[in-house]
Amino acid sequence: GQQVMQIPQYQHVQEGEDFTTYCNSSTTLSNIQWYKQRPGGHPVFLIQLVKSGEVKKQKRLTFQFGEAKKNSSLHITATQTTDVGTYFCAGHTNAGKSTFGDGTTLTVKP
Amino acid sequence: SAVISQKPSRDICQRGTSLTIQCQVDSQVTMMFWYRQQPGQSLTLIATANQGSEATYESGFVIDKFPISRPNLTFSTLTVSNMSPEDSSIYLCSAGGQGTYGYTFGSGTRLTVV
Repeated sequence: GQQVMQIPQYQHVQEGEDFTTYCNSSTTLSNIQWYKQRPGGHPVFLIQLVKSGEVKKQKRLTFQFGEAKKNSSLHITATQTTDVGTYFCAGHTNAGKSTFGDGTTLTVKP
Repeated sequence: SAVISQKPSRDICQRGTSLTIQCQVDSQVTMMFWYRQQPGQSLTLIATANQGSEATYESGFVIDKFPISRPNLTFSTLTVSNMSPEDSSIYLCSAGGQGTYGYTFGSGTRLTVV
């Protein structure tokens, strides 16, 4: 079955440092979504990427979708304490199957 | 995007009993989804609930253990039946899908079985 692997599992950074999480799918995706879950909260939708090689930005967050539509990344520039949480990717196939990655938990030391 | 109200937010239950979790959406949605999330782990899809038909369960989850109702396009319930400590987890409902607004999640139900 479809597998979505996400690395790293944990990332500890000093405030102001950059952060990147990577998502890799075992199958070609129709699109990929990214979510943020704050400690004690529920996942909140951030963005969806559809096109091969697509790059989208939201302020300090940059999202990329690979050319082969099997991998994606989320990069945060100059992290802030408000960026703390777990970031999940969710890969979707043309068959309508959705699979969440294991998540990357980001902690930011002020 | 839709707003989902989920309740209860948490509960502590005795083993062998059942708990029903409710989710109310502020707009009509075709599909609703039920997830389980162990603390610090990813989301595992339990089932997809369609209005007017039986829920579709993922591998490892069965209707007798997790019966689901979907009486209309704005409401769904998940029952965790004959609970054991292994059922202790966070249960989340969700609606939406692949699109501009992605999936919207309820606030979750933290279940502890003692």
